[in-house]
Amino acid sequence: EIVLTQSPGTLSLSPGEGATLSCRASQSVSSSLLAWYQQKSGQAPRLLIYGASSRAAGIPDRFSGSGSGTDFTLTISRLEPEDFAVYYCQQYGSSPRTFGGGTKVEIK
Amino acid sequence: QVRLQESGPGLMKPSETLSLTCTVSGASISSYYWSWFRQPPGKGLEWIGYVHYSGSTNYNPSLNSRVTISIDMSKSQFSLKLSSVTAADTAVYYCGRRRDFFDYWGQGNLVTVSS
Repeated sequence: EIVLTQSPGTLSLSPGEGATLSCRASQSVSSSLLAWYQQKSGQAPRLLIYGASSRAAGIPDRFSGSGSGTDFTLTISRLEPEDFAVYYCQQYGSSPRTFGGGTKVEIK
Repeated sequence: QVRLQESGPGLMKPSETLSLTCTVSGASISSYYWSWFRQPPGKGLEWIGYVHYSGSTNYNPSLNSRVTISIDMSKSQFSLKLSSVTAADTAVYYCGRRRDFFDYWGQGNLVTVSS
């Protein structure tokens, strides 16, 4: 099973700042089959990025994904108040599908 | 507009079998794979498994021996059964669309296992 490790655990930032979230896989994720989700308290996860860099429908372009192999990044260019949440990466290159432990982006 | 809605019990006793149903609207249940997940309170997400209208399934090995996922096309529903539950199975259970990445999710159903 591919283990995904996200860092940092918590990111304390102010609105308007940029955020860089990391996801590292225990083995190469084939064909960059990696997704990112946003989850707000009490809500279901929301798909942001799939295929490592493709934005899902309706996702603002301040969200971008990059990376390949074992190292992936989610970048939020300028944090809006609604972006403070927990973010998860997920690989679908192999079974079982696995998620990272999450990065919480909190207001500084 | 695609919508998924979980339904099932909120409280269970140890050793019972958890049964949850996900009702799909706004999409053809025969056109996609459908998945189940869970999230213990304050913790991360775990994929449980998926089902296809053909009946094919794939389960997380960590739960494989206790899990059954089935589909009822006539009702546009798919279901999760998890046997012999313990307190460690206490979680919010979500259903979702697709088997690779997951583009639509239900709102979640909290299941608490307690004697």
